[in-house]
Amino acid sequence: DIQMTQSPSSLSASVGDRVTITCRASQTITTYLNWYQQKPGKAPNLLIYAASSLQSGVPSRFSGSGSGTDFTLTISSLQPEDFATYYCQQSFSTPLTFGQGTKVEIK
Amino acid sequence: QVQLVESGGGVVQPGRSLRLSCAASGFTFSNYGMHWVRQAPGKGLEWVAVIPYDGSNQYYADSVKGRFTISRDNSKNTLYLQMNSLRVEDTAVYYCAKDKAKWAAAGTDYWGQGTLVTVSS
Repeated sequence: DIQMTQSPSSLSASVGDRVTITCRASQTITTYLNWYQQKPGKAPNLLIYAASSLQSGVPSRFSGSGSGTDFTLTISSLQPEDFATYYCQQSFSTPLTFGQGTKVEIK
Repeated sequence: QVQLVESGGGVVQPGRSLRLSCAASGFTFSNYGMHWVRQAPGKGLEWVAVIPYDGSNQYYADSVKGRFTISRDNSKNTLYLQMNSLRVEDTAVYYCAKDKAKWAAAGTDYWGQGTLVTVSS
């Protein structure tokens, strides 16, 4: 099984900050990497698919990059509604696997 | 608009069975892969199972293989998860989710609201 490791597990940031979350796969997954945002009590929301494609309706301050084993989610200017938990997921092979999550909190 | 509505959750004793359903609307159900994903209380997301658009294959997490069965009825626009031999560690909110593609490897762009399964004696 492919293991997905996110870092950091949590971070504190201020509105307007640039935030970067990284995700590393235990083996190459080319660009089969997706990013989700989840707020408490809600279902996850797809932000980025295929490593760098912005899902329809998602603000352009979110961007993704990477290929192979190393990936990054960047929020260019953190907004109040962005405080949430973020998960990466590989869809290269089954079983599909998620990272452990990164909680973005208000500083 | 796309809607996914799960049902069938509840409290069940260890070793018993439960079947979850997910009613889909607002898109051509038979054109997309579908997933089940779960989240234990206070924990992260765990992918459970996937079925492609035509139901031709099913794939499972190691933790549920041999106990859970994913299926779909494209004539009823409904996804199912049959859960047998339930364990305390299966306690979670179960989400159904639509893939962006037929063969289910492109990310899940719509999710249901989730249904809670509690396994307890």
